Amino acid sequence: DTAVSQTPKYLVTQMGNDKSIKCEQNLGHDTMYWYKQDSKKFLKIMFSYNNKELIINETVPNRFSPKSPDKAHLNLHINSLELGDSAVYFCASSQPPGNGYTFGSGTRLTVV
Amino acid sequence: DAKTTQPPSMDCAEGRAANLPCNHSTISGNEYVYWYRQIHSQGPQYIIHGLKNNETNEMASLIITEDRKSSTLILPHATLRDTAVYYCIVRVVDDKIIFGKGTRLHILP
Repeated sequence: DTAVSQTPKYLVTQMGNDKSIKCEQNLGHDTMYWYKQDSKKFLKIMFSYNNKELIINETVPNRFSPKSPDKAHLNLHINSLELGDSAVYFCASSQPPGNGYTFGSGTRLTVV
Repeated sequence: DAKTTQPPSMDCAEGRAANLPCNHSTISGNEYVYWYRQIHSQGPQYIIHGLKNNETNEMASLIITEDRKSSTLILPHATLRDTAVYYCIVRVVDDKIIFGKGTRLHILP
């Protein structure tokens, strides 16, 4: 199936740990994104990559480091996890010009 | 900040048309109107977008007023599976998507 897939779907971890979330798209899109949806359900863009190059960094703490080994993958590594990092993280991709985004099904991160 | 205003919630009877309004009075000439929805616990889903003309696809219709200051998303025959939060977004082509609070649509059996 053509899609944006994220792993893991659920992640429970302790404060201070380092964790990664992986995202892969097989749609052939050039641009990929990470969004965060907090407990109040607001969706906020974090990063955008175009063909492995960082395009958008929305003042996200530098504990968050995206990595794009190729244009089909955009992983998110988080250092020194904090309680406030608990949220659902969505990966998305798009193909310019003007097309809509395709979102993954999300990774629910819980920091305890 | 989102540039759109939507009602926080709406109800619609199953089988009827759901008409979701959106105000975007400060829209610029090169900004498109996009609609997405998010069904509970899933990733947002693209529905439709348009610039000036009305648009229709297999999911919905988009009606944009002549002055482009408002639009309406129409789900012609709403089903229970259409219960979701619907987001109206204005953006320049290929600019980032900024989500607002959206409209929570409840389809009533």
